[in-house]
Amino acid sequence: NAGVTQTPKFRVLKTGQSMTLLCAQDMNHEYMYWYRQDPGMGLRLIHYSVGEGTTAKGEVPDGYNVSRLKKQNFLLGLESAAPSQTSVYFCASSYWGGTTYEQYFGPGTRLTVT
Amino acid sequence: GQQVMQIPQYQHVQEGEDFTTYCNSSTTLSNIQWYKQRPGGHPVFLIQLVKSGEVKKQKRLTFQFGEAKKNSSLHITATQTTDVGTYFCASDNQAGTALIFGKGTTLSVSS
Repeated sequence: NAGVTQTPKFRVLKTGQSMTLLCAQDMNHEYMYWYRQDPGMGLRLIHYSVGEGTTAKGEVPDGYNVSRLKKQNFLLGLESAAPSQTSVYFCASSYWGGTTYEQYFGPGTRLTVT
Repeated sequence: GQQVMQIPQYQHVQEGEDFTTYCNSSTTLSNIQWYKQRPGGHPVFLIQLVKSGEVKKQKRLTFQFGEAKKNSSLHITATQTTDVGTYFCASDNQAGTALIFGKGTTLSVSS
């Protein structure tokens, strides 16, 4: 099993450009998440999904959109990139059931917006 | 909104010394999870605590959940260079559908 994979690993954008980050998981998890990580800020939740076809806003959703058309994929879109969106983006997934629902993280995407 | 506060933000120790990081909340938590992120890596789940006063051990790591379920701690005995990284605590959001992470404690160890 590959676990959680993210595409691309690195990307440089110019202000105003758009892009989509892809997250894929092969663990049949219902829940998927997108986080951004900035120095000293920890992991902040952008959007999440509790199942195919559903999405919800997290702590810092502005400037991002998401889609979950297939259970195994969760896409994060930036319509008009800004320098403030320079960050490392992590996707995660989890099973929801029982008493432990650990999140499995992907390797991350390092995005720079100039 | 719900927050979990972690202290300290940074800690440097000599190899062999002990290390503790604390996670505090103003509200009662349903559970607490701990993650470790190695430099350049991604967060990896360590443990989940659910019960009031719960204590769990993983080799040199000891995790505690407070009696009031408002705080938690991670203690590492006799640190090694392999313990280097950032340790995060996390707990459910109000809807119980996602985790809210603390800002983390970054541990450095010199040999």
